[in-house]
Amino acid sequence: DIVMTQFPDSLAVSLGERATINCKSSQSVLYSSDNKNFLAWYQQKPGQPPKLLIYWASTRESGVPDRFSGSGSGTDFTLTISSLQPEDVAVYYCQQYYTPPAFGQGTRLEIK
Amino acid sequence: QVQLQQSGPGLVKPSQTLSLTCAISGDSVSSDSAAWHWIRHSPSRGLEWLGRTFYRSKWYNDYAVSVKGRITINPDTSKNQFSLQLNSVTPEDTAVYYCAREPKTVPGMRSWFDTWGQGTLVTVSS
Repeated sequence: DIVMTQFPDSLAVSLGERATINCKSSQSVLYSSDNKNFLAWYQQKPGQPPKLLIYWASTRESGVPDRFSGSGSGTDFTLTISSLQPEDVAVYYCQQYYTPPAFGQGTRLEIK
Repeated sequence: QVQLQQSGPGLVKPSQTLSLTCAISGDSVSSDSAAWHWIRHSPSRGLEWLGRTFYRSKWYNDYAVSVKGRITINPDTSKNQFSLQLNSVTPEDTAVYYCAREPKTVPGMRSWFDTWGQGTLVTVSS
């Protein structure tokens, strides 16, 4: 099974500053024949289900603000929030869907 | 707009069966462009995928190794919903359970979860 590891576990960033969350998979999630990475990012706020932000590692879901971006390929991926807003305080998860789905352990993002 | 509405008891006794239902609006459980999943979230195990059901000319299921043998996910086409049954529960099965939709954008390939139910906290305790 593919294991997803996120780092850091928690992160405090000042309002308006950049936040960067990393995710590493134990095996490549790149499907080479069409060059797609089977990697998604979610945001979860207290008492709510996870909300899809990014799929195919870098495609923003409809309605997600453009300050959220995803990058990376193969086994190493990054979620970047370009200018942190108060409503971005949440736990963020990566998830691979190359094999039976698996999630990272989550990164808690707070305001400094 | 697709919505998922979960229902079911929040307390189950050890060794008994956990049963939850997820009612679908805005899509069909029989859709050939979606799959329907159960996922749980606990402090000890994080977000854990449990299994799915989907229809592609016939019904298919697949389940996580961690719960295989104890889990059944069934579609109910008459009510446009699907259910989770988890047998022989222990306190380790205490978690928030979610249903979720996987949109099938590429035939034969997995994709992400774009719609989630509201979550049900299920506590296993006597």
